[in-house]
Amino acid sequence: DAGVIQSPRHEVTEMGQEVTLRCKPISGHNSLFWYRQTMMRGLELLIYFNNNVPIDDSGMPEDRFSAKMPNASFSTLKIQPSEPRDSAVYFCASSPVAGVVDTGELFFGEGSRLTVL
Amino acid sequence: AQSVTQPDIHITVSEGASLELRCNYSYGATPYLFWYVQSPGQGLQLLLKYFSGDTLVQGIKGFEAEFKRSQSSFNLRKPSVHWSDAAEYFCAVTAGGSYIPTFGRGTSLIVHP
Repeated sequence: DAGVIQSPRHEVTEMGQEVTLRCKPISGHNSLFWYRQTMMRGLELLIYFNNNVPIDDSGMPEDRFSAKMPNASFSTLKIQPSEPRDSAVYFCASSPVAGVVDTGELFFGEGSRLTVL
Repeated sequence: AQSVTQPDIHITVSEGASLELRCNYSYGATPYLFWYVQSPGQGLQLLLKYFSGDTLVQGIKGFEAEFKRSQSSFNLRKPSVHWSDAAEYFCAVTAGGSYIPTFGRGTSLIVHP
């Protein structure tokens, strides 16, 4: 079975450019999470979707960040304009029920490493 | 709000030695507890989880963890470490009624031959 698929795996861009990260969750999973991982701050939750609806976006750093989930099989995280401090690994994870309490497990993609010069 | 503390940033062990990674949580009721492992360049993978019942839980790759309510701890153990266990280990907690796990900062495991 295919796991969570993220693209691109690596992205190098210049400050001010728009960046779009993509995620395909595991089929049948109805919860989706976007995380950001840095050495300084560790693993941070950016946004959580349930049944394609954003439930908690309190972790989104600022208006430059936006996330969408137009259907159950696709989500995007967009940064516009990008800044050097956005450099990080961005992970998408999915879960098969309304919350991790029921399954106890998040399924993570391999991440998208973003470098903003 | 729940919180998770992993007091050790790095742990170095020799191959074949035993391992214990510490995790402490802060939450008033019984939490749901997890350990994840992250190999270099990879996403996180679940090692084991505790919801209720037996406080000693077994996971994949020979790992186990013990929930100690009195100490608010959920330490990860392995009796004999293999070189392939070198990775980053994350403890996570989900409070009852919350669907969002809180992750610790992680412990980096270094294995010497």
